[in-house]
Amino acid sequence: DAGVIQSPRHEVTEMGQEVTLRCKPISGHDYLFWYRQTMMRGLELLIYFNNNVPIDDSGMPEDRFSAKMPNASFSTLKIQPSEPRDSAVYFCASSPPGYSNQPQHFGDGTRLSIL
Amino acid sequence: GQQVMQIPQYQHVQEGEDFTTYCNSSTTLSNIQWYKQRPGGHPVFLIQLVKSGEVKKQKRLTFQFGEAKKNSSLHITATQTTDVGTYFCAGDSGGYQKVTFGIGTKLQVIP
Repeated sequence: DAGVIQSPRHEVTEMGQEVTLRCKPISGHDYLFWYRQTMMRGLELLIYFNNNVPIDDSGMPEDRFSAKMPNASFSTLKIQPSEPRDSAVYFCASSPPGYSNQPQHFGDGTRLSIL
Repeated sequence: GQQVMQIPQYQHVQEGEDFTTYCNSSTTLSNIQWYKQRPGGHPVFLIQLVKSGEVKKQKRLTFQFGEAKKNSSLHITATQTTDVGTYFCAGDSGGYQKVTFGIGTKLQVIP
């Protein structure tokens, strides 16, 4: 079975440019999470969705960040305009439905470098 | 908000030695999860503990959940080079599938 698929794997761009990260969750999973990982701050939850609806976006750093989930099989995380401090690895994860916490399945991540 | 503290942040051990990482929450947890991230990889789910005082084993790995459900530990017996990576705990305080990850413990095994 296919896991969580993220694209691109690597992105290098100049500050001020728009960056779009993409994620395809595992089929049947109705929770989708976006995380950012840095050495200093570890793994931070940015936003998560349930059945395509944003549930908690309190981790989104600022208005430059936005996320959408137009359907059950696709989500995007957009940064506009990008800044060097946004450089990090961004992970998407999905989990199946359940009354209690379910294991989260992570994609391979997007390594983002803003010059 | 909820905080999940994890120690140590780094650990170097000689191959064959044991290793333990500890996780503490500022609030009582409904459950706790453990993940492993290999260098250059992504976090991979290892196990979930739910009951107070629960102990689970996976080969050389032993996971414990404290009686008060505010702390947890992962112990590896006789480490191998394949154990290299960062181990994260992730705690939940109820509802909506959201977890808070600890900072992680980076394990280096010296052959």
